[in-house]
Amino acid sequence: GENVEQHPSTLSVQEGDSAVIKCTYSDSASNYFPWYKQELGKGPQLIIDIRSNVGEKKDQRIAVTLNKTAKHFSLHITETQPEDSAVYFCAASRGGGGSQGNLIFGKGTKLSVKP
Amino acid sequence: NAGVTQTPKFRILKIGQSMTLQCAQDMNHNYMYWYRQDPGMGLKLIYYSVGAGITDKGEVPNGYNVSRSTTEDFPLRLELAAPSQTSVYFCASSPTSMGTGELFFGEGSRLTVL
Repeated sequence: GENVEQHPSTLSVQEGDSAVIKCTYSDSASNYFPWYKQELGKGPQLIIDIRSNVGEKKDQRIAVTLNKTAKHFSLHITETQPEDSAVYFCAASRGGGGSQGNLIFGKGTKLSVKP
Repeated sequence: NAGVTQTPKFRILKIGQSMTLQCAQDMNHNYMYWYRQDPGMGLKLIYYSVGAGITDKGEVPNGYNVSRSTTEDFPLRLELAAPSQTSVYFCASSPTSMGTGELFFGEGSRLTVL
């Protein structure tokens, strides 16, 4: 079945460094790719998303890139700060109709930013 | 703004007991969802609803039931609780189908079945 793989599962960086999280997807019909941030004890919150007709999108210190040919997309966080510490989830839409465009989530990356 | 509100935040159940997790949203969203989150496993869709009176199964519906009598409320019912249902449950809503736009999540309900 459709799958989204996310790497790494944990990532530790020094404050001010960049962090990169990568995801691959299997469903060639996927056309929507959101990234969610989950802080401890909270629900996930959308931080950025990208659609299949766009290769890159930026929002201040975060950016997402999409390579449709290779079926992978990445989250880039620059100038990391301690408040960036959280679990990050990627997701891909499930194409082919049926389940109202279900999202398939990756297993998450725990990012720790050390001061 | 309240957004998506889930109750209770924590609950311990004995095997075989039943309970209902409540979810309410005040954003007038048509789409609502229930997910479960297990450690290291991401989010799995249990049930979803595209509007009042309409519900459908997600990836892992066994052992659960839902109803959607109003736009605002989407309760999740656990019948005959089992240890495998120990998890954190998240309710979410969206103005459009989740394959097209942002999901708004509640803060979660942590359930332990002993």
